[in-house]
Amino acid sequence: NAGVTQTPKFRVLKTGQSMTLLCAQDMNHEYMYWYRQDPGMGLRLIHYSVGEGTTAKGEVPDGYNVSRLKKQNFLLGLESAAPSQTSVYFCASCDRASGNTIYFGEGSWLTVV
Amino acid sequence: AQTVTQSQPEMSVQEAETVTLSCTYDTSESDYYLFWYKQPPSRQMILVIRQEAYKQQNATENRFSVNFQKAAKSFSLKISDSQLGDAAMYFCAYRRGGGGATNKLIFGTGTLLAVQP
Repeated sequence: NAGVTQTPKFRVLKTGQSMTLLCAQDMNHEYMYWYRQDPGMGLRLIHYSVGEGTTAKGEVPDGYNVSRLKKQNFLLGLESAAPSQTSVYFCASCDRASGNTIYFGEGSWLTVV
Repeated sequence: AQTVTQSQPEMSVQEAETVTLSCTYDTSESDYYLFWYKQPPSRQMILVIRQEAYKQQNATENRFSVNFQKAAKSFSLKISDSQLGDAAMYFCAYRRGGGGATNKLIFGTGTLLAVQP
């Protein structure tokens, strides 16, 4: 009963390094999302995907790239990490069959020093 | 663009008492969904309750209920018989109905609820 799984859970990066966050869902959902959560700002949408092979920009896409090569996976990449990208990242997924309820992963804590 | 506003950054309630968290939203759509999510210190996002805009009846889930005022674009959460485990950050969220590229969940900035024993 995995649901939405994010890896890694914690990571510390140096400024300028690159990394990829992996989101995997086992519910055959069409839609997947990446959010970042910062104090006092709620969750802000970075990028999202409405199906395999398609991605779109959210509210705060700069500095991030995404890919959806397989339906169950949604990757979030940081090509050159900056301290402003220190945040908690959440992946989420949903489908019409889930009644428009969105299911979240447990979050990934990223610190850029 | 749709927006969600939570005007109460922090709230406090005594155990066993009732508390109401406020949320307002702005949209020109007629088909949409509203949600309340709970985020405890573990940071896990837990769905508390959802409301379909086309339903006039307010949603209820055990001790949690909403007051959905569509014309006023207001969606408040009432927690009855508050328990220590209710202490968490609560987020109000909006999602446009139907499918397609604009089907995304928009969050308010959250209300931190403390429960006093």
